[in-house]
Amino acid sequence: SQKIEQNSEALNIQEGKTATLTCNYTNYSPAYLQWYRQDPGRGPVFLLLIRENEKEKRKERLKVTFDTTLKQSLFHITASQPADSATYLCALRYTGRRALTFGSGTRLQVQP
Amino acid sequence: EAGVTQFPSHSVIEKGQTVTLRCDPISGHDNLYWYRRVMGKEIKFLLHFVKESKQDESGMPNNRFLAERTGGTYSTLKVQPAELEDSGVYFCASSLRQGSETQYFGPGTRLLVL
Repeated sequence: SQKIEQNSEALNIQEGKTATLTCNYTNYSPAYLQWYRQDPGRGPVFLLLIRENEKEKRKERLKVTFDTTLKQSLFHITASQPADSATYLCALRYTGRRALTFGSGTRLQVQP
Repeated sequence: EAGVTQFPSHSVIEKGQTVTLRCDPISGHDNLYWYRRVMGKEIKFLLHFVKESKQDESGMPNNRFLAERTGGTYSTLKVQPAELEDSGVYFCASSLRQGSETQYFGPGTRLLVL
């Protein structure tokens, strides 16, 4: 079965630095990959989507890369701020299905 | 525009009881999804409605779970009888139409079965 791996350890960085989160998957590549942010006690909030034929997407301070050869997506937050502290989830959607398959998430802590 | 809402926010019940969770999607969204996160695990898909029709039920764990979406608006997820392993957070999400990839999630219902 498909497996998605995200750094289970929390990522601690200093304000102003770039945070890089990793999402690795096994087996077949998805139609597209999404990144969500989740704060405690709340539902996931959509951030960015990247399709299988795209290498990179940007939105303000966020950047996502997608390497189907490595079966990996990287999620970058530049000029990080304490308000960026949250859990970030990687989610894959496969061709023919609308369901999302989620990773377990990586908790990011940005220190002021 | 109101987001996805879920009721109740929390529910504590005893094993063997019945619980019904409700989800109101964003108005006009044809697609409605149920997901859940059990303790220490990732969020997992349960099922998907397109309007009032069940499109994909592959994630439903067993026949103690019954989801409905009468009239293609709000949806309910009933667990009967509840078991200890059903404890977790149940999320509902909705998306606009065919080809719309962004799913908007509700805040979740935290279910604890004692």
